[in-house]
Amino acid sequence: QKEVEQNSGPLSVPEGAIASLNCTYSDRVSQSFFWYRQYSGKSPELIMSIYSNGDKEDGRFTAQLNKASQYVSLLIRDSQPSDSATYLCAVEVRFGAGTRLTVKP
Amino acid sequence: ETGVTQSPTHLIKTRGQQVTLRCSSQSGHNTVSWYQQALGQGPQFIFQYYREEENGRGNFPPRFSGLQFPNYSSELNVNALELDDSALYLCASSSWGQGSQPQHFGDGTRLSIL
Repeated sequence: QKEVEQNSGPLSVPEGAIASLNCTYSDRVSQSFFWYRQYSGKSPELIMSIYSNGDKEDGRFTAQLNKASQYVSLLIRDSQPSDSATYLCAVEVRFGAGTRLTVKP
Repeated sequence: ETGVTQSPTHLIKTRGQQVTLRCSSQSGHNTVSWYQQALGQGPQFIFQYYREEENGRGNFPPRFSGLQFPNYSSELNVNALELDDSALYLCASSSWGQGSQPQHFGDGTRLSIL
């Protein structure tokens, strides 16, 4: 079992739609959870960090954490073509394989 | 604020050789992590350094080793290079705190093994 698993994608949504990205993890004692965005040929950049159960909103992005279910998600509202990238879920220092998102105009 | 810088940008080596990659952490950060990212994959955690000591290691063999210096910069050394070592090597710095902290990545070193 992989430590951090993401829905493999690719995920394609129309401009203006909500994109939903999911991640599960295996280590129950994990405390820190992150979403990074990686454009093609670039390095990962932090979008959100979340440490407590529930939702955390930052602009068009909402991270959701459920420690009992060992589940983290990222919602992107009003998706824009500029959101097209690979989204990486990280639990502590471990990363998932990423989900490639394409937002079509 | 100075970001994370890595050198060199690209490197070509042959099997069996040794390589050293370098990283300067972002100002104010004292923790450095190294990652290997193969094409189409997520970053794989190699190890983390804090206060010049290894503070966690991923599933990589001992021929992957590192150093952290008093100014928090870091090196990744890989001995006896293998073809599968061809990848993008990312350095990330963060501040130290309870639990993992958000990381800031450098642009990476692209290593090609012939």
